Amino acid sequence: EPEVTQTPSHQVTQMGQEVILRCVPISNHLYFYWYRQILGQKVEFLVSFYNNEISEKSEIFDDQFSVERPDGSNFTLKIRSTKLEDSAMYFCASGRGAVSTDTQYFGPGTRLTVL
Amino acid sequence: GQNIDQPTEMTATEGAIVQINCTYQTSGFNGLFWYQQHAGEAPTFLSYNVLDGLEEKGRFSSFLSRSKGYSYLLLKELQMKDSASYLCAVRDVDMGRRALTFGSGTRLQVQP
Repeated sequence: EPEVTQTPSHQVTQMGQEVILRCVPISNHLYFYWYRQILGQKVEFLVSFYNNEISEKSEIFDDQFSVERPDGSNFTLKIRSTKLEDSAMYFCASGRGAVSTDTQYFGPGTRLTVL
Repeated sequence: GQNIDQPTEMTATEGAIVQINCTYQTSGFNGLFWYQQHAGEAPTFLSYNVLDGLEEKGRFSSFLSRSKGYSYLLLKELQMKDSASYLCAVRDVDMGRRALTFGSGTRLQVQP
């Protein structure tokens, strides 16, 4: 069964550094998402991406964040200058795109630790 | 805005049945999802309801009442591996909006 994959599984960085989190969505899916989950808290939506552009973003997704689909398979989340409060598990998800039945399938996550 | 409430923790016995409730208040509604999340892992899709009624999938069933803003997840014949958090998530109705709003999750502990 196809799965969403993410790399790295764990990223440690210094405050102020840039990080890029990578995802390979399921191949025939058209919608891509990033969510995050701070330890012990709920899963929070960051951004959705369709047809090579952002279709929706939350208040969390400020100018420090950007997303890109650099080729036909990868989907990346960049945090330009990390802060301590960016430490979280970041999940990529993808969905086929049919509105009424669009289930989002999550990848295993990248645990980001900002020191 | 959206508000989703679930009990924080529940305990049940192996082989038993457990019902996890979820209530929501949203400005619009276009579907309710249940996900399972084991500690340190990704949410795994369990079920989806957009119309009132019961959806059954093996040992798991999910019910929705849109008029009451209420859903439950029913787990039958509990197994130790069912110990996990169960996340209720709602999708808004606005065209183009696909973001899921998650509840805080219900941590289920299955005991022998």
